[in-house]
Amino acid sequence: EPEVTQTPSHQVTQMGQEVILRCVPISNHLYFYWYRQILGQKVEFLVSFYNNEISEKSEIFDDQFSVERPDGSNFTLKIRSTKLEDSAMYFCASSEGPGGPRYYGYTFGSGTRLTVV
Amino acid sequence: KQEVTQIPAALSVPEGENLVLNCSFTDSAIYNLQWFRQDPGKGLTSLLLIQSSQREQTSGRLNASLDKSSGRSTLYIAASQPGDSATYLCAVSPYGGATNKLIFGTGTLLAVQP
Repeated sequence: EPEVTQTPSHQVTQMGQEVILRCVPISNHLYFYWYRQILGQKVEFLVSFYNNEISEKSEIFDDQFSVERPDGSNFTLKIRSTKLEDSAMYFCASSEGPGGPRYYGYTFGSGTRLTVV
Repeated sequence: KQEVTQIPAALSVPEGENLVLNCSFTDSAIYNLQWFRQDPGKGLTSLLLIQSSQREQTSGRLNASLDKSSGRSTLYIAASQPGDSATYLCAVSPYGGATNKLIFGTGTLLAVQP
């Protein structure tokens, strides 16, 4: 069964450093997402990406965050200057089109646990 | 603003028991509702997707129902097994917004005792 692949599974970084979280969505999917889950809290939407641009972003997704789909297969989330409160599990998800998650739901990756020290 | 609540927060049952997990949402304007399973420190595995026009979906020992007008969904697990132990999350895809983001509940932590 096709999978969404995320790397690395765990990353430790120092406060103020830049990190890039990587995702390979399912190849025929058209909609891409990042979510995060702070330990003990709900899974929260960060950003959606469709047709090579951001479609929607939450209040959490401020200027410190950016996303890219550089080569047609990878989908990355960059945090420019990490803060302690960025420590969380980050999930990548994708959905096929047309209609995307409205009809097909989501497939999530296994997540990257980011620890900022 | 859409809010999703799951009851109970935690549940412990002996192996073999049938059980029901509950999910409620405040706004019935949704495209669909999806149930996920999350193992400790792991990703989200999709279990069942119910479109807003559907009443239920079944997969193996799992059955999910949706009553959109009352803002409720249930996940029924038959003949529970220790391998079913995990956190179960429900999430709705609300109308509005550009790309059908999911709003998640807080989850139900299930422990099935052998």
